Amino acid sequence: AQRVTQPEKLLSVFKGAPVELKCNYSYSGSPELFWYVQYSRQRLQLLLRHISRESIKGFTADLNKGETSFHLKKPFAQEEDSAMYYCALRGFQKLVFGTGTRLLVSP
Amino acid sequence: EAGVAQSPRYKIIEKRQSVAFWCNPISGHATLYWYQQILGQGPKLLIQFQNNGVVDDSQLPKDRFSAERLKGVDSTLKIQPAKLEDSAVYLCASSPNTNEKLFFGSGTQLSVL
Repeated sequence: AQRVTQPEKLLSVFKGAPVELKCNYSYSGSPELFWYVQYSRQRLQLLLRHISRESIKGFTADLNKGETSFHLKKPFAQEEDSAMYYCALRGFQKLVFGTGTRLLVSP
Repeated sequence: EAGVAQSPRYKIIEKRQSVAFWCNPISGHATLYWYQQILGQGPKLLIQFQNNGVVDDSQLPKDRFSAERLKGVDSTLKIQPAKLEDSAVYLCASSPNTNEKLFFGSGTQLSVL
């Protein structure tokens, strides 16, 4: 079975502070990990995927197979980063989501 | 590019009634997904189609939920009869193929009273 755990329901930081949204996974095979984001009144959309090894809107995420983690990081949070963030794992052709973390960036 | 279209946007019904949701994926997308998102939880996959065939429906409560994707394009998800615990946002998503990124619709918010 595949499982994604996001331990924090809410993460509140000030503008300019570093951000780390935690994601741990459980999967027997070779995982494909993603971060999806939902801004207020917008659709759920892909932020980044681990195989691309890219930085989107200043966010990066590194897959750590030893710790089975895929934490999302940004060195300096902006107010426009406030949103709901979901970690997701694709395995057996199925995309499974975590419960999400709400990021609130205050001025 | 036109996005994934879903209707209705909101629906309020009483328990034991029936309801149907409609989804029109992005043109050319072979894979279509229905997710259920209960308040405070992440999206849960109900059913996944590849063209008009079912790839996964292991979490679809088949005694009350049904879904079809005629001609491999539009899809409908039906609940009959509805229960209070079916109150949720029902999200439709599509992707060009199974291993590509998902594009989500705006969702249908269902309230069962």
